[in-house]
Amino acid sequence: NAGVTQTPKFRILKIGQSMTLQCAQDMNHNYMYWYRQDPGMGLKLIYYSVGAGITDKGEVPNGYNVSRSTTEDFPLRLELAAPSQTSVYFCASSYSGGDVGKAGELFFGEGSRLTVL
Amino acid sequence: AQRVTQPEKLLSVFKGAPVELKCNYSYSGSPELFWYVQYSRQRLQLLLRHISRESIKGFTADLNKGETSFHLKKPFAQEEDSAMYYCASLGTGGFKTIFGAGTRLFVKA
Repeated sequence: NAGVTQTPKFRILKIGQSMTLQCAQDMNHNYMYWYRQDPGMGLKLIYYSVGAGITDKGEVPNGYNVSRSTTEDFPLRLELAAPSQTSVYFCASSYSGGDVGKAGELFFGEGSRLTVL
Repeated sequence: AQRVTQPEKLLSVFKGAPVELKCNYSYSGSPELFWYVQYSRQRLQLLLRHISRESIKGFTADLNKGETSFHLKKPFAQEEDSAMYYCASLGTGGFKTIFGAGTRLFVKA
């Protein structure tokens, strides 16, 4: 049971390049999320998904796109990288069933550190 | 709108001293509140949640609806408590967790 797996761990991009951050979870969670972590700003929600085929914007969606074709995978795409997107990105998932004791807890990946120069 | 405020970016205490990490929330409904912790070189993980009312690693947090607060407390800090702590609020529907800016706790020997 690997939990939430993110790749790559580190990446340097040039302005204007595109890339996809991969995220996969093996816990059969319906809910998945992408956050970015900036110093002093905490975690900001970029996009989230409540199930395959369903995605929605979070607090800071501009410059990003997501897709959710399967329950397991939730990739985040940066189309035209900008220096403002330099950050640490976290993917997370959570249980969506009726067990109140389990609901809401986020399980995080190890993070992907992205630098745009 | 759902909002979580952690007023202290850095909190430094001596080992054995009490520690309190502050968290205030604003939410029109009944929020579900959490504390997450990120130790050095480890992934973010849940520390505790208000509905469980349990003590984890000596930490407790009480929801005060009147003051809209969910402060994290520990009577005697240990060096291994040094980490980044995030307060978080889960909205209705059971998804879309919003985080505070985080407080870095540094426990000195």
